[in-house]
Amino acid sequence: EAGVAQSPRYKIIEKRQSVAFWCNPISGHATLYWYQQILGQGPKLLIQFQNNGVVDDSQLPKDRFSAERLKGVDSTLKIQPAKLEDSAVYLCASSFGQGLEAFFGQGTRLTVV
Amino acid sequence: QQQVKQSPQSLIVQKGGIPIINCAYENTAFDYFPWYQQFPGKGPALLIAIRPDVSEKKEGRFTISFNKSAKQFSLHIMDSQPGDSATYFCAAVLDGNEKLTFGTGTRLTIIP
Repeated sequence: EAGVAQSPRYKIIEKRQSVAFWCNPISGHATLYWYQQILGQGPKLLIQFQNNGVVDDSQLPKDRFSAERLKGVDSTLKIQPAKLEDSAVYLCASSFGQGLEAFFGQGTRLTVV
Repeated sequence: QQQVKQSPQSLIVQKGGIPIINCAYENTAFDYFPWYQQFPGKGPALLIAIRPDVSEKKEGRFTISFNKSAKQFSLHIMDSQPGDSATYFCAAVLDGNEKLTFGTGTRLTIIP
């Protein structure tokens, strides 16, 4: 089966600019996650969707980050405006829902300069 | 209460040795404990997982030991190989919402 697709793979932007990341989960997976992984740390959950509804966005900095999951399939994560500390790998993952195994994409490495 | 503490931060083991990575948690509502393996430039991939009603689980060379009373679990890699060199993350899932909380990671290096 095809894995979780993310794009772009790399992005370099200046601070205060905006950026968007895209994720296409595994077909049929109801749960979609966005994680932020700062270099040398474990992934930190930003937002979790069940179909197109938000389950948990408690750690999403809502003043600058937003995410949506259109029609319960693809998802986009946006940062506006970006800060230097947003430099990280942004990982998208999906799971069937009840199965609990989350499959991760390769991530988007964001560098804010 | 949502934290998962992982140690050591890095580990170097000779080929054939048995690296052990330890994790501890506080929240007794966690009910699923997966381990993820991450190679540079890749996303984490599920390696093995355990539920708290089981004290040990083996899959190939990978074993999870689980101590429910101590709220600790560990990963053992038997007959370690250089190809096992990667970063390993323990994680815990909260009963009911499938939220994955990761540990801080262990960078494992297996030297020939």
